[in-house]
Amino acid sequence: GDSVTQTEGLVTVTEGLPVKLNCTYQTTYLTIAFFWYVQYLNEAPQVLLRSSTDNKRTEHQGFHATLHKSSSSFHLQKSSAQLSDSALYYCALRSYQGGSAKLIFGEGTKLTVSS
Amino acid sequence: EAAVTQSPRNKVAVTGGKVTLSCNQTNNHNNMYWYRQDTGHGLRLIHYSYGAGSTEKGDIPDGYKASRPSQENFSLILELATPSQTSVYFCASGLRDWETLYFGSGTRLTVL
Repeated sequence: GDSVTQTEGLVTVTEGLPVKLNCTYQTTYLTIAFFWYVQYLNEAPQVLLRSSTDNKRTEHQGFHATLHKSSSSFHLQKSSAQLSDSALYYCALRSYQGGSAKLIFGEGTKLTVSS
Repeated sequence: EAAVTQSPRNKVAVTGGKVTLSCNQTNNHNNMYWYRQDTGHGLRLIHYSYGAGSTEKGDIPDGYKASRPSQENFSLILELATPSQTSVYFCASGLRDWETLYFGSGTRLTVL
């Protein structure tokens, strides 16, 4: 079945340095969309990025991600991490085919940015 | 701005007791969802609904029931709570099938 894999459970980075959170997927559906959700401490998850176009860079709040169907990936990156970026990040795959849709979340990656 | 409100924020229940978690949304979204969040498992779908009067089973429905009496309200019911149901529960709403979800702030449930 479909799956989403976030390989790192915890990522620690120093403020000002680049950060990359990995997300790969497996699906048999042809129509897909990808999301990154962010959850700050004691808050609700909220959408950070969305993309459904292959090889197109999507940006928001300094983060960017590019859907690469050839490698089944949608990694999240930022060139300069900030202390305020510390949070739990979820990658999610929305697949749609023949009137049926579903959403699958990865296990989440906790990002800690230190000074 | 999307608004999804959950109550209570925290709940302590005893094993075998009945627990009802409530969710209200003012977005006029057709779709509503219940997830539980556990370390190492991420967000897992329990039940969802496409509108008033409808409920569907998600990926982990065992031990849970859901009720959608109106467009605005979606409840999660644990008839016989067990310690394994200790978790953080999130309600969400969405306008179209599995598109952007708007989450509530969560309910932390502890079953002793």
